Amino acid sequence: DQQVKQNSPSLSVQEGRISILNCDYTNSMFDYFLWYKKYPAEGPTFLISISSIKDKNEDGRFTVFLNKSAKHLSLHIVPSQPGDSAVYFCAASEWDQTGANNLFFGTGTRLTVIP
Amino acid sequence: EPEVTQTPSHQVTQMGQEVILRCVPISNHLYFYWYRQILGQKVEFLVSFYNNEISEKSEIFDDQFSVERPDGSNFTLKIRSTKLEDSAMYFCASSYRANTEAFFGQGTRLTVV
Repeated sequence: DQQVKQNSPSLSVQEGRISILNCDYTNSMFDYFLWYKKYPAEGPTFLISISSIKDKNEDGRFTVFLNKSAKHLSLHIVPSQPGDSAVYFCAASEWDQTGANNLFFGTGTRLTVIP
Repeated sequence: EPEVTQTPSHQVTQMGQEVILRCVPISNHLYFYWYRQILGQKVEFLVSFYNNEISEKSEIFDDQFSVERPDGSNFTLKIRSTKLEDSAMYFCASSYRANTEAFFGQGTRLTVV
């Protein structure tokens, strides 16, 4: 049951250029979206989030865009740096009755930034 | 910077044995979670825990699994009678309040042989 999809398993970008990672979701009840970065043998590291009441959130080099009508979000990294090379996971959540955010993850996109 | 810590980093167990995976969430966090990632697959939600009880669990979290917060700091996942298909990375996570980001631990790699 793929409620969150990342259709590009990999992406290569030149250093200094923009990286755009895409994510689609199917559950219209999702109201909070996050991007995590993951290195091998480590846990996911939180990058940036956006709630469904917004369409853009920016934090330094990272910007997340949300298009609710298309059920699509994207992460822009600009300028891309070699240290950004990692697997990026999109996640979406739906509140349960206690307010806990139970995350549904995409399959990840491996970003390689070429020096 | 506060972090979620998990022990052990790697656990090897024989099929049919019980294992307990341990986690120390960030101290002022109120919500606790377990996720797992089978090799080559996506990270999957197992269970969320709030106010000393399970708030939600996925289909994966069957009677074989249980969680406990035995004291004010630890959060454990117990897997009874492990199966080969339980081999995975298990991640603990915690969040401070509703609708905020969850912080993940480094994971425990469970290998069932």
